[in-house]
Order: sequence, then C-alpha cells, then structure tokens
Amino acid sequence: DVKVTQSSRYLVKRTGEKVFLECVQDMDHENMFWYRQDPGLGLRLIYFSYDVKMKEKGDIPEGYSVSREKKERFSLILESASTNQTSMYLCASSLRGRGFGYTFGSGTRLTVV
Amino acid sequence: GQQLNQSPQSMFIQEGEDVSMNCTSSSIFNTWLWYKQDPGEGPVLLIALYKAGELTSNGRLTAQFGITRKDSFLNISASIPSDVGIYFCAGLPSSGNTPLVFGKGTRLSVIA
Repeated sequence: DVKVTQSSRYLVKRTGEKVFLECVQDMDHENMFWYRQDPGLGLRLIYFSYDVKMKEKGDIPEGYSVSREKKERFSLILESASTNQTSMYLCASSLRGRGFGYTFGSGTRLTVV
Repeated sequence: GQQLNQSPQSMFIQEGEDVSMNCTSSSIFNTWLWYKQDPGEGPVLLIALYKAGELTSNGRLTAQFGITRKDSFLNISASIPSDVGIYFCAGLPSSGNTPLVFGKGTRLSVIA
C-alpha cells in the first residue's frame, strides 16, 4: 500500500512565524501535491511537483513556497504565517502519467493565532 | 483554473436509502475519479473511470463516465452509517499536463 505521511496532525503557530509542513511518500511516486481544504471551498491546489527540484504553482500559491530536494519528500513552507492560512493541509502523490489517482495523507490541521 | 460543479453540496438521508450525486464540467475530461473523505482523514480513491460511457461498480457504489465526457455520477445503494463523509469528484482535463481538478464535495449524513 502506498503511504503518504504528513509530519503533524495538528499544529498551532503564531502570526508571522515561518512554518514547515512535511510530507513523505514511500512508493517512489514522481508526482507530489499540496492542497488546502476549507469548508465550502473543497480542495484547492497550492503547489505541485512532477520531479525532484521541480515545482509548479497551483491555483493559490500566494504566501506559500515549496521544496523538493528528494523524490520522496515534498515540503510546504509558509514564509510568514497569517490567520487566513488557518486550514487543513493535504499532501498527495501519484505515479507519473495521466490518469493515475492520487494517494492522500491524513492531513495537517494548522491553526495560526 | 478549470472547475467542476458537484451537486448536491450536502445530503441528509435515512439508513437504507439510495444516494446519487454528480459532477459536471463545461470542458472535456479524459478521466473521472471519485474519492471519499472520512472525518479527520485524507480522501481515499473509490472508483476510477477512463472511458466515455464506462459504468463501474465497487460494492454498493456505482459510478459512470458520461458519454459527453463532461459529467460523471456516483450512486450509493442501501446506505449505512459508515457511508458518512465527504465525497469528491475529480477529473483529468483532456489537454495539457495538468493536475486533477476537484469538485467542492458532497457532504453525506446518514440518519440511523
């Protein structure tokens, strides 16, 4: 079974802090994704990566950056956390090639106070 | 980005009832996927559809890839309490090397 592991289930951070959300997958997937989930807005794509050291902006990249130094790890960085970044963050991975479904992690619920 | 219109937004049903939800798009998709998210967890893939007209079942779940390639539906028969959760449709656009597009989800509540 593919496993996507997110480092924290719950996180509370202060406004202005730099926040790192880590995601690791163990099945050699080429593609990795970061989403945020808010009530009524569904899943919104923040950033994605199709290869090591490669990154592409999704629909809502503002206020975020990412890092993919190794194939199995994709980090989401909040450069200066703000209260409007309080949300559920979901990481996903998939094989290269179109049509493969994504495997999601369990999510990190981030609260910025 | 592209959008999928998923309906209904939420449903309250009695245990044992059948459920139907759907997704539509203004553009063509090559693949349709249906996910379920249990409370406090990430979405899990239920069914994948790769061909227009395809009808696929997974236990009490049945999903279809619309003939026009612009829609898909998911049916759940004889609902049970563990069907509670959020159901998402997702589609892969026909052009470009773009990620999946997700609907906003249907929140299902089952009353025992």
